[in-house]
Amino acid sequence: QKEVEQNSGPLSVPEGAIASLNCTYSDRGSQSFFWYRQYSGKSPELIMFIYSNGDKEDGRFTAQLNKASQYVSLLIRDSQPSDSATYLCAVMWGGSYIPTFGRGTSLIVHP
Amino acid sequence: GAGVSQSPSNKVTEKGKDVELRCDPISGHTALYWYRQRLGQGLEFLIYFQGNSAPDKSGLPSDRFSAERTGESVSTLTIQRTQQEDSAVYLCASSLNPNGGYGYTFGSGTRLTVV
Repeated sequence: QKEVEQNSGPLSVPEGAIASLNCTYSDRGSQSFFWYRQYSGKSPELIMFIYSNGDKEDGRFTAQLNKASQYVSLLIRDSQPSDSATYLCAVMWGGSYIPTFGRGTSLIVHP
Repeated sequence: GAGVSQSPSNKVTEKGKDVELRCDPISGHTALYWYRQRLGQGLEFLIYFQGNSAPDKSGLPSDRFSAERTGESVSTLTIQRTQQEDSAVYLCASSLNPNGGYGYTFGSGTRLTVV
């Protein structure tokens, strides 16, 4: 059973801080990893994807992948109230075209 | 089109009626996916299309659910004899990469309420 686990939160951080969102997964045959942001009442939007171990940076966002430990993280630097949303982690395993989504972590950035 | 378009945005139907939900993916996106999201819940995969064929329909919850795609473009998800547990937001997504390896673009969803 391939599973993707996220702490449901809410994770509350002050404006300007670094928000760290974590995701663990159950199987080493994983291939591709995605982070989506979903505002309340809206559909998910893709933030980043990562394939290789290490860090991938895009603006204020950094995805960190550690396949040996089976986790992927999303760091948001200089958090803003507009970053308040649910962040979904998705993992795609080799041979599958369908990623498995986690339940999401709710992030609240307070002024 | 510029994005994934879904219609209707909201649908209220009586229990037992059939409903049809429509998705128009981004032009040129060969991969198309349907998901369901119940209130406060995660994304539940329903069906995946590659072109006009559906190599993975394992997520369809019952034979009341069916989907088709024509012309490698528009897809329709049909729910027959709707039940209250079918109430959810139905999300469509498309991907340029045939295996979705670069992530999806989601539509704004159809909120289905069965009364």
